[in-house]
Amino acid sequence: DARVTQTPRHKVTEMGQEVTMRCQPILGHNTVFWYRQTMMQGLELLAYFRNRAPLDDSGMPKDRFSAEMPDATLATLKIQPSEPRDSAVYFCASGLAQGSKDTEAFFGQGTRLTVV
Amino acid sequence: DAKTTQPNSMESNEEEPVHLPCNHSTISGTDYIHWYRQLPSQGPEYVIHGLTSNVNNRMASLAIAEDRKSSTLILHRATLRDAAVYYCILKNQAGTALIFGKGTTLSVSS
Repeated sequence: DARVTQTPRHKVTEMGQEVTMRCQPILGHNTVFWYRQTMMQGLELLAYFRNRAPLDDSGMPKDRFSAEMPDATLATLKIQPSEPRDSAVYFCASGLAQGSKDTEAFFGQGTRLTVV
Repeated sequence: DAKTTQPNSMESNEEEPVHLPCNHSTISGTDYIHWYRQLPSQGPEYVIHGLTSNVNNRMASLAIAEDRKSSTLILHRATLRDAAVYYCILKNQAGTALIFGKGTTLSVSS
């Protein structure tokens, strides 16, 4: 069945290293969302795209985070350089928005990032 | 988007109905009420949504107050698999993002 696929599922990296997380949205979906979840802050929206164009990235620390959609089947979230406070679970979700209607958001299993 | 208020936690026994409340007194006429849940170690998943009328699906029912200032997610027979964090979210525009609050942590005992 159709699902959002995130890779890697787990990542441990050293402070200062670059981290790239990937997301394959459900085929045909035109909106992609990136969230970060920590115990302290809960689920926070980082950025989202519609038809591959960024609509809102105000939740993302601009100096170190970047999000892109090289094509309709791939979304990436990059952290450079990574810091221990970036340790969290990062979720990608996708949906289909058409006119005034949209489907529910389908979430991936997440990437658990640990920066040491 | 308007804000929602949910209890931090609730407890239930297996096979009993569960009513999860959500207050949204500042809801606008075009806000849809969405419910998602997050099982342990998983991403959130859609449960149900509605605008004005009560809604039913295979997972749950959504009862919406006549003034729309509150709603209740009803799980008709709780199972251990229903233990999760339940989020009530208002969304008024297609293609916009869900903004999650703290949600209600539901515990189910056997």
